[in-house]
Amino acid sequence: GDSVTQMEGPVTLSEEAFLTINCTYTATGYPSLFWYVQYPGEGLQLLLKATKADDKGSNKGFEATYRKETTSFHLEKGSVQVSDSAVYFCALTLNTGGFKTIFGAGTRLFVKA
Amino acid sequence: KAGVTQTPRYLIKTRGQQVTLSCSPISGHRSVSWYQQTPGQGLQFLFEYFSETQRNKGNFPGRFSGRQFSNSRSEMNVSTLELGDSALYLCASSLIGQVQETQYFGPGTRLLVL
Repeated sequence: GDSVTQMEGPVTLSEEAFLTINCTYTATGYPSLFWYVQYPGEGLQLLLKATKADDKGSNKGFEATYRKETTSFHLEKGSVQVSDSAVYFCALTLNTGGFKTIFGAGTRLFVKA
Repeated sequence: KAGVTQTPRYLIKTRGQQVTLSCSPISGHRSVSWYQQTPGQGLQFLFEYFSETQRNKGNFPGRFSGRQFSNSRSEMNVSTLELGDSALYLCASSLIGQVQETQYFGPGTRLLVL
């Protein structure tokens, strides 16, 4: 069935370190891919998205590229800040006669000053 | 523009009871989706509504149901509550529910079943 697998956390980094959170998916059809973020005490919100193969989504210094050949959508940031501490969710949305979104398990990121 | 609102924010129920949760989407949005978030299972898709019609449903028992009104507001109902139904229930809206659209999430309703 359709699924999203992302690396388990928590991930702990020092400020200015490089971040990669891996995400791979299996899907019937052609999904759109998303990264959502949940900051402490806040609701889930979109970080970035890509809707077709080779598209790169970017926002707030984060980037992810839709790789159809490897069914991946890895999240990267060159230099993390303490304010990036949050839970990150990789997700795909499909049209299966209706709209359906499948989320990964989430990866908690802690950034130390 | 106001965001997605959900009421109530917190609920405590006992096993066997039923509960109704409400969601008001962003003005102009016609697609509403519901999700259950638990520490063990993560975020799981419950169902999606568009123009008062359920278009898709996740893998949940029939005790979970929902509906959408003509103003796009949505409710979900859980009957015969079980302990395992304790969770954060999130509602999200989008313009017309197309695959490439961003979903906007509400703050959630936290349900505790005793």
